[in-house]
Amino acid sequence: ELKVEQNPLFLSMQEGKNYTIYCNYSTTSDRLYWYRQDPGKSLESLFVLLSNGAVKQEGRLMASLDTKARLSTLHITAAVHDLSATYFCAVDILGSGGGADGLTFGKGTHLIIQP
Amino acid sequence: GAVVSQHPSWVICKSGTSVKIECRSLDFQATTMFWYRQFPKQSLMLMATSNEGSKATYEQGVEKDKFLINHASLTLSTLTVTSAHPEDSSFYICSARVAGGFSYNEQFFGPGTRLTVL
Repeated sequence: ELKVEQNPLFLSMQEGKNYTIYCNYSTTSDRLYWYRQDPGKSLESLFVLLSNGAVKQEGRLMASLDTKARLSTLHITAAVHDLSATYFCAVDILGSGGGADGLTFGKGTHLIIQP
Repeated sequence: GAVVSQHPSWVICKSGTSVKIECRSLDFQATTMFWYRQFPKQSLMLMATSNEGSKATYEQGVEKDKFLINHASLTLSTLTVTSAHPEDSSFYICSARVAGGFSYNEQFFGPGTRLTVL
């Protein structure tokens, strides 16, 4: 059974600070996804990481993937209030025939950025 | 592109009634759609995988007779919560995978349907 663990689950930080959210998963996979969810809303796709060593950046967010360590990180640089949201990582395991499977999500990191 | 809609966006119903939620891919064809459930302040849990023209595959612990899924076309999947009870109150989110799309499992999420059962 695939398990995905995020930490921290809750993070309160000040604007301008840097921080990292960690996502560990239990089974070999080279596909990892990061999503943002605002209260009462659905998911917004942030990053898709498809290979070991993949690094992607968008604005103040940067995500990386280490498939050997089964670890992905989401790094926030110089946080601003608008980044307050819940962030989820998700992993999948495609069947050998390339069939689509649902995603297994971490519990989410509730991020509050205070002025 | 790659827009997924859900209808209704919210619904309130009495205990014992059935509720149908629609998930549509608006500008692409989706051979596979997924239904997730999210309880307040919790993560998304996969309920079932819906394949066009075939029976849905349910995750362990999800009652297939209670949560009826129909994927009648490449752009529409429906989830019917039968005889809904208060414990079924949740945020239901669908996602769709592009038919013939990339090798990775790119899914596009709908806006969600908030179900409240009184």
